[in-house]
Amino acid sequence: EAGVAQSPRYKIIEKRQSVAFWCNPISGHATLYWYQQILGQGPKLLIQFQNNGVVDDSQLPKDRFSAERLKGVDSTLKIQPAKLEDSAVYLCASKGRAYEQYFGPGTRLTVT
Amino acid sequence: GNSVTQMEGPVTLSEEAFLTINCTYTATGYPSLFWYVQYPGEGLQLLLKATKADDKGSNKGFEATYRKETTSFHLEKGSVQVSDSAVYFCALSGNTGKLIFGQGTTLQVKP
Repeated sequence: EAGVAQSPRYKIIEKRQSVAFWCNPISGHATLYWYQQILGQGPKLLIQFQNNGVVDDSQLPKDRFSAERLKGVDSTLKIQPAKLEDSAVYLCASKGRAYEQYFGPGTRLTVT
Repeated sequence: GNSVTQMEGPVTLSEEAFLTINCTYTATGYPSLFWYVQYPGEGLQLLLKATKADDKGSNKGFEATYRKETTSFHLEKGSVQVSDSAVYFCALSGNTGKLIFGQGTTLQVKP
């Protein structure tokens, strides 16, 4: 079974630019999560989708971050405009009926 | 709100030493508890889990017991190997499945 796919793997942008990350979850997984992992910290949830609806976006900085999951399959996370403190690894995870969340390899964002 | 606290690292051990990484949590209700591992250059992988009090999760020689009375889920391994060098994250999840992670503990095992 294919795992969670993410792209790009690495991205370097200047502050105030925009960037988008893409995630394709495991086939059939209804729940999709985006996490932000700042260096030296544990991942922190940004947004959770159930099919194409948002379950939890309480930690998403909505003035600059947006996410969508059209058709309830793949998802895009966007940052516009980026700040230096957005430098982090952005992880996508998906979950089926069981407890386990499966994580993608992440996108490492560097904002200069 | 819910939170997870792990012992600070890095933890440096010699091969075949005993490992304990402490994890305590604060949560309402009855969360599920997890240990995730992140090997160098790789993504997060589930190591083990426990879904109710007194459950013991185990995998690859690692164990952790869900202790409700002490709100703890300490990770143990009897004899570590160099290949166990990684960052270990304790996490909990509630009803929505959202994971709340500790800050991670780096383990370095020397030959």
